Amino acid sequence: TQLLEQSPQFLSIQEGENLTVYCNSSSVFSSLQWYRQEPGEGPVLLVTVVTGGEVKKLKRLTFQFGDARKDSSLHITAAQPGDTGLYLCAGGSGKLTFGQGTILTVHP
Amino acid sequence: SAVISQKPSRDICQRGTSLTIQCQVDSQVTMMFWYRQQPGQSLTLIATANQGSEATYESGFVIDKFPISRPNLTFSTLTVSNMSPEDSSIYLCSVAPSGNTIYFGEGSWLTVV
Repeated sequence: TQLLEQSPQFLSIQEGENLTVYCNSSSVFSSLQWYRQEPGEGPVLLVTVVTGGEVKKLKRLTFQFGDARKDSSLHITAAQPGDTGLYLCAGGSGKLTFGQGTILTVHP
Repeated sequence: SAVISQKPSRDICQRGTSLTIQCQVDSQVTMMFWYRQQPGQSLTLIATANQGSEATYESGFVIDKFPISRPNLTFSTLTVSNMSPEDSSIYLCSVAPSGNTIYFGEGSWLTVV
């Protein structure tokens, strides 16, 4: 069974701060995805990383896939209150294994 | 991409009853999946809905409790049978139209009283 350890579980920061969320596994994943979920909605795909060492940027969000394809990180620069939500990493192709999630709160 | 519609979006059900959730996709997809998200938790895969054959269930989930239909490549249903308060969750349908990229519906929020 492939497991994904996501940390931190909770993150409460002030607007303008930077933050990093980590997603780690002892297993190799063919791909890894990051989702953001707001209350009352389903998860929305942010990015899919496939290649070891890959870095993808989405405005203030930077996603990195580890060289060995066992870990990934999400870095947010200058966080804004609109970034508040549940961030989920998920590994696999089709059948996804999810991390525990990170609840991010950005205070104005 | 894929647009996924789920019905109902929310429901409040009496314990002991059953509810069927529908998932409609705007394009034909080979792979469809059903997930559960209990309050305050992450997502757990219930089963893979296979077109033309029985669903494949993950450990801890059984067909008698969560029967699934997949009559064609754009539609699936999940039934939550003999509900108890512990079944109160968000139930999410997802599809993988192109392998690596997975899309989710907005979920069906179920409360059992």
